[in-house]
Amino acid sequence: DGGITQSPKYLFRKEGQNVTLSCEQNLNHDAMYWYRQDPGQGLRLIYYSQIVNDFQKGDIAEGYSVSREKKESFPLTVTSAQKNPTAFYLCASRQTGQPTSNQPQHFGDGTRLSIL
Amino acid sequence: AQKVTQAQTEISVVEKEDVTLDCVYETRDTTYYLFWYKQPPSGELVFLIRRNSFDEQNEISGRYSWNFQKSTSSFNFTITASQVVDSAVYFCALLGDSSNTGKLIFGQGTTLQVKP
Repeated sequence: DGGITQSPKYLFRKEGQNVTLSCEQNLNHDAMYWYRQDPGQGLRLIYYSQIVNDFQKGDIAEGYSVSREKKESFPLTVTSAQKNPTAFYLCASRQTGQPTSNQPQHFGDGTRLSIL
Repeated sequence: AQKVTQAQTEISVVEKEDVTLDCVYETRDTTYYLFWYKQPPSGELVFLIRRNSFDEQNEISGRYSWNFQKSTSSFNFTITASQVVDSAVYFCALLGDSSNTGKLIFGQGTTLQVKP
């Protein structure tokens, strides 16, 4: 079945450690997104990529990094510079092309990150 | 600026009651798209509906219905004869046509609890 796979489901980070969250999609979508969700808050955009080898910062990019070397993969690294990483992270993808704007984003199951 | 407001943080109803989730949006775009997503306890966001700004017809899908009113910038979601399986967090989201990135603006979410 086509979809978005995020792994791991749960992740623990030690102080000073970088951790990487995986996001893979087999929907052949061009655009991919990373969101952070905190309790009682909506989703906030961290990074997005509309094409391979290109990505842009979202609203809360500090302390995070991404890469987009393959169309189907968009890993997110939470660096030690992110002082409050505990949150639920959701990856999404979307088909682009015409018409572009009305295509919904499809989401993965999320990764819950906690600090040890 | 674009903004989505879901004023109801939590709603609790008894099974078979009807419930309406409110969504008010702000945008300067003349063309825009509105979405509703459901987030069950498992965490993934499930796409429910997309509506463009030129289509003000209300839509019904089974027990779900949506009321789009441009005059009041609202896109409310009604569940008729609610069931326990409807318990989830529901997000309203906006995509303005001035954005070429597909970036969604999410509301804070409304947590719906349906009690048996």
